[in-house]
Amino acid sequence: DVKVTQSSRYLVKRTGEKVFLECVQDMDHENMFWYRQDPGLGLRLIYFSYDVKMKEKGDIPEGYSVSREKKERFSLILESASTNQTSMYLCASSRQYSPLHFGNGTRLTVT
Amino acid sequence: KNEVEQSPQNLTAQEGEFITINCSYSVGISALHWLQQHPGGGIVSLFMLSSGKKKHGRLIATINIQEKHSSLHITASHPRDSAVYICAVNTGNQFYFGTGTSLTVIP
Repeated sequence: DVKVTQSSRYLVKRTGEKVFLECVQDMDHENMFWYRQDPGLGLRLIYFSYDVKMKEKGDIPEGYSVSREKKERFSLILESASTNQTSMYLCASSRQYSPLHFGNGTRLTVT
Repeated sequence: KNEVEQSPQNLTAQEGEFITINCSYSVGISALHWLQQHPGGGIVSLFMLSSGKKKHGRLIATINIQEKHSSLHITASHPRDSAVYICAVNTGNQFYFGTGTSLTVIP
């Protein structure tokens, strides 16, 4: 069974802090995604990667960056956290033309 | 722009009722997915469809490619079916999501 693991379930950070969200998948999937989920807005794509060291901006990349140095790991970085980045962050992975597998999410609160 | 539209946004049903959630999309797709998210829980994939119909237990998903429309049916609904159901479409490497249908099944 595919496992997508996010490093933290809950995270509280202060405004201006640099925040790292880590995601690891164990099924050798090419594609990895970072989404944020907000009430009434659904899932919005922040960044995705279809190969090591490759990244593509999604719909809302401002204020975020990503890193994919190894195939199994995709990191989301908030360079300077702001209160409007308080959200649920979901990592997912897939092969092309296959279902998405999600991690359990990280609920980030920025105070 | 909304590539994927779901209806209804919210749905309340009595236990045992037959439930239908609809999804329309506006882009060319390689597949359509139905996802489930229980309150406080992660998102799991229920179905991946590119044509026709799939059934898993009490859940049935159908897709009409020509009309760009899919439905998720739940027969004999149960309180444990209470969750958010999300329609998503796959266009190669990208996914587009509906905003979800929040289902509450009352005993």
